[in-house]
Order: sequence, then structure tokens, then C-alpha cells
Amino acid sequence: QVQLVESGGGVVQPGGSLRLSCAASGFTFSSYGMHWVRQAPGKGLEWVAFIRYDGSNKYYADSVKGRFTISRDNSKNTLYLQMNSLRAEDTAVYYCAKAGGYWGQGTLVTVSS
Amino acid sequence: DIQMTQSPSSLSASVGDRVTITCQASQDISNYLNWYQQKPGKAPKLLIYDASNLETGVPSRFSGSGSGTDFTFTISSLQPEDIATYYCQQYDNLPYSFGQGTKLEIK
Repeated sequence: QVQLVESGGGVVQPGGSLRLSCAASGFTFSSYGMHWVRQAPGKGLEWVAFIRYDGSNKYYADSVKGRFTISRDNSKNTLYLQMNSLRAEDTAVYYCAKAGGYWGQGTLVTVSS
Repeated sequence: DIQMTQSPSSLSASVGDRVTITCQASQDISNYLNWYQQKPGKAPKLLIYDASNLETGVPSRFSGSGSGTDFTFTISSLQPEDIATYYCQQYDNLPYSFGQGTKLEIK
């Protein structure tokens, strides 16, 4: 069965960096585009970034463009989100997601001094 | 970017009631629309895809309709376990935007 497991969340100071990972299993990872979606505490869902199956194209929400980088390693079945210049408003649960409605359980990122 | 306007933002209904949520896209998205259910502390769960197709294993009391810019999500007979927040999401064009959510409560 499809499994997506995020890791790498934690507490970071404003201006800091963090790298999230999403380990995928149960499907042919290299054949699917992948997304990151986030949810601030008590708020709605916000799409963050998308990467095509082969990493050839990447798309970002305006709110993270220039600060976040999505990438993937198809040999390791792993999706990444490098987050730099973090702000308090980036505090959220970050989910990785695959087309077809499959989501991970999420990892919490807290940006606070 | 496509904006998704979902209403109402909250809804209180009784067990057995018929519940309807609407979602309007700022431009034509054909039928590229998902409906998700999210319970506290959990990841969203896909209920409906392609505007009207029921995901495998989802109870038949859930349904979706619409195309173009106007969409409707319906629970035909509300059950206590349906208490959650519901979101629409378009996947016609990136960014794949979500509606603001509808928090459903039992009256």
C-alpha cells in the first residue's frame, strides 16, 4: 500500500533553515509528481510546491518562492523540501502528497525565537 | 492563479440531515476538483475526485457534482462520525489551490 512518511520538522529560529524529507513506498515513486502542502495551526490547507516525476520542472507558491526548494532522489524514493530564511508565518504542519489523494501524516515546523 | 471560494465556512446540522457545501472556482476548471475530509490532528482524506467520483471505500452518503466553475458536495444523511472540516481543491492548474474549508458540527 502507498506510504508517505515525512520527517525533519522541529523548532527553528527566524532566518534559519530546515530540510524536510518524505520517504515513499508502495508505488513507483519515479513515475509520479509530488507535492508539499502545509497547514498553519488552526488554519486551512495551503499548497506549497510541486515537482514533476523526473525533477525536470518545479513550481512554488508565491509565499515561498525564492526561499524554499523542492527536490527528489528517485534512487532513494525520497522527496525533499529545503526551507531557508524561515519566518514565523512558515510555522505549520507540512505534508507531502501524491496524486490520487495519498498524503503523509505530516511533520510540524515551528519558527520561533 | 485560480481562487476557490467555499461556503459556508461553518455549518451546524443534526444527525440525519442533508448537508450541502459549495465551491466556486474563479475560472473554468472543467471537473478537476477534489473534496477532502479532515479530522483534528489527521491528514486530509480524499472523498471525491474529478468532481463527482467517490473514492474507494468512502460511504455512498457522500457525493459531489458540478463542472466548470460551480461545484457541490453533499452528505445525504449526516452521521456523528462526519464531524470534520471539508475542503475543495482544484487541480486544473498549478498552484493547486484549496477552498477555505467548511467546519461541520453537530447541532
